[in-house]
Amino acid sequence: GAVVSQHPSWVICKSGTSVKIECRSLDFQATTMFWYRQFPKQSLMLMATSNEGSKATYEQGVEKDKFLINHASLTLSTLTVTSAHPEDSSFYICSAIGKAIAKNIQYFGAGTRLSVL
Amino acid sequence: GESVGLHLPTLSVQEGDNSIINCAYSNSASDYFIWYKQESGKGPQFIIDIRSNMDKRQGQRVTVLLNKTVKHLSLQIAATQPGDSAVYFCAESPGTASKLTFGTGTRLQVTL
Repeated sequence: GAVVSQHPSWVICKSGTSVKIECRSLDFQATTMFWYRQFPKQSLMLMATSNEGSKATYEQGVEKDKFLINHASLTLSTLTVTSAHPEDSSFYICSAIGKAIAKNIQYFGAGTRLSVL
Repeated sequence: GESVGLHLPTLSVQEGDNSIINCAYSNSASDYFIWYKQESGKGPQFIIDIRSNMDKRQGQRVTVLLNKTVKHLSLQIAATQPGDSAVYFCAESPGTASKLTFGTGTRLQVTL
């Protein structure tokens, strides 16, 4: 149980284009989803917290107009990187917590590697 | 600001030996701690957690120890196996908040 699916696993795009990443909780309802960014050999940096049906809460320094987050249902959250540039290349990972599963345990997706040319 | 950090960036252990991965945290208000394992190119995988009202918790081949006096957390892996090779992160959450702050990570290398 507690499976989080992330799609796509790898994406290459041209500079200036937008990329959408999906995060789905497959076997539980995710009351809260989190989006992280991870650079090579570094730790996970929280970008934003997303609650179903409400606006995402962004961490300090994260541009909300550049990283659009939508959490339209209890099983799906999306992160859209708008007008992507090479410096946005990174590993993006989502996680989710739910009411029916152990409190405070974030279950993670497999991540999406974004390469912007 | 508050941070969670690790003492050793890389730990090399012989197969069959026990591994100890350490983590120091600075937020005295931290109430909840988690250890995650991350294999290359994958998302973090939950290993074990512990609340601040406990000082030890055991799982299958893993034990987490919490010393609130010195703000120190450790993960012990018994009979380390090649499949344990990965980067291990500790993470903390203050109070009942769900937001996690991750440490810098320790790479565990298991040698045959």
